[in-house]
Amino acid sequence: TQLLEQSPQFLSIQEGENLTVYCNSSSVFSSLQWYRQEPGEGPVLLVTVVTGGEVKKLKRLTFQFGDARKDSSLHITAAQPGDTGLYLCAGARTSGTYKYIFGTGTRLKVLA
Amino acid sequence: GAGVSQSPRYKVAKRGQDVALRCDPISGHVSLFWYQQALGQGPEFLTYFQNEAQLDKSGLPSDRFFAERPEGSVSTLKIQRTQQEDSAVYLCASSFLETQYFGPGTRLLVL
Repeated sequence: TQLLEQSPQFLSIQEGENLTVYCNSSSVFSSLQWYRQEPGEGPVLLVTVVTGGEVKKLKRLTFQFGDARKDSSLHITAAQPGDTGLYLCAGARTSGTYKYIFGTGTRLKVLA
Repeated sequence: GAGVSQSPRYKVAKRGQDVALRCDPISGHVSLFWYQQALGQGPEFLTYFQNEAQLDKSGLPSDRFFAERPEGSVSTLKIQRTQQEDSAVYLCASSFLETQYFGPGTRLLVL
């Protein structure tokens, strides 16, 4: 049972398009992380957000933590084939915990 | 190597066989995690070690699953009497502060 639902589940877009991936929950999280996972590899941490309403930018990626800390979004501008992968959000229920609950994942394919 | 390594990368087991999956964490990382990732899903927490102490094993799905980290470095996840539902990728991660560094995983297929 996964408490974090991601949408869409699958996304196939053309190079240069913009996209947004959503991570939603009915639970409040003290912090939330986004990862990207490529086939045959483990997830790689992209960002951690800890404050409600926080926005972080990483080149063409923009991450936002919802005001109520129950949801988050990842926006990619001008997607490139190198952005292809499985995007995972992961939330921590309590501050300072080691335990992150992973979302269901969004599989993104960017076509050249 | 600077990253987390796991072996074997692939394992095919017959139903009922015992398997052992190894994780070599990043040197000096105190915390170590095991996750199970089913096809097309996000990783699910199995167990957590701080040094050699297993502080949380709440995610282990049954008593057929056992993990150890006797010297606070290398860890082994053992699955006894494997079942088809055990087929998945088993990920190991070690962490420094809040950042978890994942290994490439062991893909287990139980026939």
